[in-house]
Amino acid sequence: DGGITQSPKYLFRKEGQNVTLSCEQNLNHDAMYWYRQDPGQGLRLIYYSQIVNDFQKGDIAEGYSVSREKKESFPLTVTSAQKNPTAFYLCASSIGLGIETQYFGPGTRLLVL
Amino acid sequence: AQKVTQAQTEISVVEKEDVTLDCVYETRDTTYYLFWYKQPPSGELVFLIRRNSFDEQNEISGRYSWNFQKSTSSFNFTITASQVVDSAVYFCALSDAGGTSYGKLTFGQGTILTVHP
Repeated sequence: DGGITQSPKYLFRKEGQNVTLSCEQNLNHDAMYWYRQDPGQGLRLIYYSQIVNDFQKGDIAEGYSVSREKKESFPLTVTSAQKNPTAFYLCASSIGLGIETQYFGPGTRLLVL
Repeated sequence: AQKVTQAQTEISVVEKEDVTLDCVYETRDTTYYLFWYKQPPSGELVFLIRRNSFDEQNEISGRYSWNFQKSTSSFNFTITASQVVDSAVYFCALSDAGGTSYGKLTFGQGTILTVHP
């Protein structure tokens, strides 16, 4: 089955710790995205990537980092610089950047201990 | 700058009632795309529909219908004969085809729909 997988489903972070959220897609999509969702709010764009080895900051990139070494994978690292990391993180992909429909993974819920 | 407003934070209906979710958008571009997504309790966003700014024809898909009115910058979503399985958060989103916002989806705050049996 084609789709987007995210792991883990739940992730706990200790103070000062970096954690990495996984996102994999087998849809052969070029573009991938990371969004953050806080309770009662819409999604906000963290980073996006149009193609392998290229990525751009979104609206709330501070405290986050990404890599795009493979077309299928777009991991997100939440660094210790992100002071309020507790949120629901959603990964998405689309055929190309721009007006193409974005399809979403099941999400990872990050909690701070 | 792009903006999407979903004025209804929460809606509660009884099963079989019709319900309309409102979406109003702002953009300076003449070419843009509008989307609706459903987020059930599991959390994953499910794509429902994508419309471009040049196609104002209303669309119906089963119990779902969408009314796009460029004159009022609205893209409303109606569920006919609602069911308990329709309970979810619904998001309206906008993507410009050009300019500095190219490639970015701007989401509304979402509307929580609860359908009671």
